[in-house]
Parts: sequence; structure tokens; C-alpha cells
Amino acid sequence: GDSVTQMEGPVTLSEEAFLTINCTYTATGYPSLFWYVQYPGEGLQLLLKATKADDKGSNKGFEATYRKETTSFHLEKGSVQVSDSAVYFCALSDRGAQKLVFGQGTRLTINP
Amino acid sequence: DTAVSQTPKYLVTQMGNDKSIKCEQNLGHDTMYWYKQDSKKFLKIMFSYNNKELIINETVPNRFSPKSPDKAHLNLHINSLELGDSAVYFCASSPKSRGDTEAFFGQGTRLTVV
Repeated sequence: GDSVTQMEGPVTLSEEAFLTINCTYTATGYPSLFWYVQYPGEGLQLLLKATKADDKGSNKGFEATYRKETTSFHLEKGSVQVSDSAVYFCALSDRGAQKLVFGQGTRLTINP
Repeated sequence: DTAVSQTPKYLVTQMGNDKSIKCEQNLGHDTMYWYKQDSKKFLKIMFSYNNKELIINETVPNRFSPKSPDKAHLNLHINSLELGDSAVYFCASSPKSRGDTEAFFGQGTRLTVV
């Protein structure tokens, strides 16, 4: 079945550092890919998405590119802020599957 | 206005009890979901409804029974609660059941079974 694998956390960085959170996927079809963010005590919010190969999703300084050849959707940000501290989830959805399959989540802590 | 709202936010109950979690969305979406997040933050789908019709039942014990009285509501009833049911339960909705549309999540209900 479909699956998503994210880099193990937790990740701790200093403010203004460069961030990469790796995400790879396995899918039988051609999925859409998503990054969701969960701030403490809150539900999940969509951060960005890409629906086909080579698409780049971007939002709030975060970017991720849909790489079909490497089945990856790595999340990057050039300069992180303390307010980016949260749990980040990579997810996929096959067009016919009607559900999101999530990675295990990566807890990110940014220190001032 | 809250787009997807769940009640209660916290629920502490004893083993063997029956409890319900309510979910409402005011986005006009056709599809609603229940997801379970375990203590390690892993998220997994439980149910999906499209226009009040059950689409996905992801091998959830039949102690869990979703009910959708209309397309804006999807409630979750749990019978004979067990310790292992302790988790955060998220309701979500999306405009279509197609995979390329995003899901909007509620704040979650933290269920603790003692």
C-alpha cells in the first residue's frame, strides 16, 4: 500500500538556520503530495502542496518540489524563525484513494 | 468563524464507558473524515464519508461507529472504551473526495481512558 517516510526527529536548529526535512513516498498511482504543520495544541494546517511531478509548492518561506524520479518531497526553508517550531507532517493522497496517508511527523524546535 | 469544529476538546472517561465526539464543518464540503493520532503523533485515517455515505472504514473495531446526520456533521460514537483508545481524534473535511484537494482539520479531541 501507499506509505510516507519522513526523517526522524526531533530536529533542533538555531534561528535563521537552513531547514531541510526529508520525505520520501511509495505509491502505486500518481499521488498529490502535501506538507501539513501542527502547532502545539492545535489541529493540522496545510502548509503547501504539489499535485504533479516537478511542481513546487511554497508558502510562508517554505518550499518543496515533487520529484517523481526520486519519489521525494523534501521540505526546505532558508531561514527559520522561533515561530516555526511545530510538528511537520508529509502526506500523500492518491486520486482514487480519498484519504491522506501521513508520515510519522517531525518535531522541529527553533532556539533564539 | 471556526471552519471545522469538534466537541469536546478534552474527554477523560473510565474503561467500559460509551462516549461521543461531535464534528461540524461550515465550509460546505462534501467529504468528512475521522483521523486518529496516537501518542507518537502518528496519524491514521479511520473513516471517510462523502455526502453522508460511508466511503472508507479503515479496519476500525466495530466499537467505533460514525454517524453523519447531514453532510455538515460527522459524529463518532465509541462503545466500551478501552485503554488503547486513548489518543487525539481529528475530524477533517474536504470539498471533494478526490485526492488532490486539501483537507481542513479540526482542533482535535484528546481522549484519555483511565
